[in-house]
Amino acid sequence: DQQVKQNSPSLSVQEGRISILNCDYTNSMFDYFLWYKKYPAEGPTFLISISSIKDKNEDGRFTVFLNKSAKHLSLHIVPSQPGDSAVYFCAASGGAQKLVFGQGTRLTINP
Amino acid sequence: NAGVTQTPKFQVLKTGQSMTLQCAQDMNHNSMYWYRQDPGMGLRLIYYSASEGTTDKGEVPNGYNVSRLNKREFSLRLESAAPSQTSVYFCASSEGGGPAYEQYFGPGTRLTVT
Repeated sequence: DQQVKQNSPSLSVQEGRISILNCDYTNSMFDYFLWYKKYPAEGPTFLISISSIKDKNEDGRFTVFLNKSAKHLSLHIVPSQPGDSAVYFCAASGGAQKLVFGQGTRLTINP
Repeated sequence: NAGVTQTPKFQVLKTGQSMTLQCAQDMNHNSMYWYRQDPGMGLRLIYYSASEGTTDKGEVPNGYNVSRLNKREFSLRLESAAPSQTSVYFCASSEGGGPAYEQYFGPGTRLTVT
């Protein structure tokens, strides 16, 4: 039973364009959401987060949108750069210390 | 400031052998975690320790044991390794004390069980 789902295993975007990564969740008790970025042979690194009391959070080129009624969040990267090529994981928390992760989406930025 | 360190980086075990994966953090974090990453499965929580002296099971605890040795160190033990435990293992830490704060991950241990 996958509580957090990233239905696109991979995404390819041209440099300079917008990258949109999507994530769906099923547990309505989740109240905090995070995105992590992972390069090969490294551990994931925190990118951006959003609390369920907000619907948008921005940090430079990265914006996360939360649609609670649809149980859907998305990460927008604009403009996309070659260094953004990585695997992106969304994660959710229900007030405890634990995170539940999605399967990940491999983003490739093409020159 | 090394962050989260893990040893070893790579390990090959035969079925039935045992080993301990070590993790240490120097950020004075209260909470520590062990995950495994498998293709198409994302990161799955094995065990976590919300604070020194406590440990709890995560999503996939079977076949593993943990020890929170002190505030800095959290080890993961495989008593009798099985091929299904071939995976990449990540340790993480966070400040703790409330809703899930961002977690800081180590570089991972790639384990192969033959």
